[in-house]
Amino acid sequence: SFELTQPPSVSVSPGQTATITCSGDNLGDKYVCWYQQKPGQSPILVIHQDSRRPSEIPARFSGSNSGNTATLTISGTQAWDEADYYCQVWDSSLVVFGGGTKLSVL
Amino acid sequence: QISLKESGPTLMKSTQTLTLTCTLSGLSLSASGVGVGWIRQPPGKALEWLAFIYWDDDQRYSPSLKSRLTITRDTSLNQVVLTLTNMDPVDTATYYCALRSGSYSGLDSWGQGTPVTVSS
Repeated sequence: SFELTQPPSVSVSPGQTATITCSGDNLGDKYVCWYQQKPGQSPILVIHQDSRRPSEIPARFSGSNSGNTATLTISGTQAWDEADYYCQVWDSSLVVFGGGTKLSVL
Repeated sequence: QISLKESGPTLMKSTQTLTLTCTLSGLSLSASGVGVGWIRQPPGKALEWLAFIYWDDDQRYSPSLKSRLTITRDTSLNQVVLTLTNMDPVDTATYYCALRSGSYSGLDSWGQGTPVTVSS
């Protein structure tokens, strides 16, 4: 079955750019989604189709996908961006999640 | 406005069968492109996908749990039901249902989640 690998944690200073990666075999051939989950809350979709943002998501969130790696980029990171982030793909109509990355804003 | 709400037992014992219901409001389960899935999250751990049912009644399951899972829908009630047999303490988790509305390629609406604790 298809697997997605994320770093367990990423740290960033306020106002700087955070980069979270997600890797998988030929991941660039699939569409990647990204979800943000804050403690005690349900996940929310922040990026779909590799780089598209739902209308309510700030433009600070962007995504890309090529080769074996997809990337979620958060520009001008704010304290409230501190959360767990999960990548996800559809693999033959099955749902696959990455293991999640804890973003710390220090 | 689209919303999803999970319901079901909060406490289970080993070997019992869990039945969870997800009630969808604001969108029909039969609408083209719509799908509803179940995802769980053990305390302090990552999201784990369990099952998905599409608008055409196509059902998909996590390979690792397929033998224990059943997902069905009741279009008259706009509900999706998940059953998980032979519950074990390792199945303790918050169980979420989530919607793929078709507007986006991801799971664009999630329920609040329902916690399930399994004791031995």
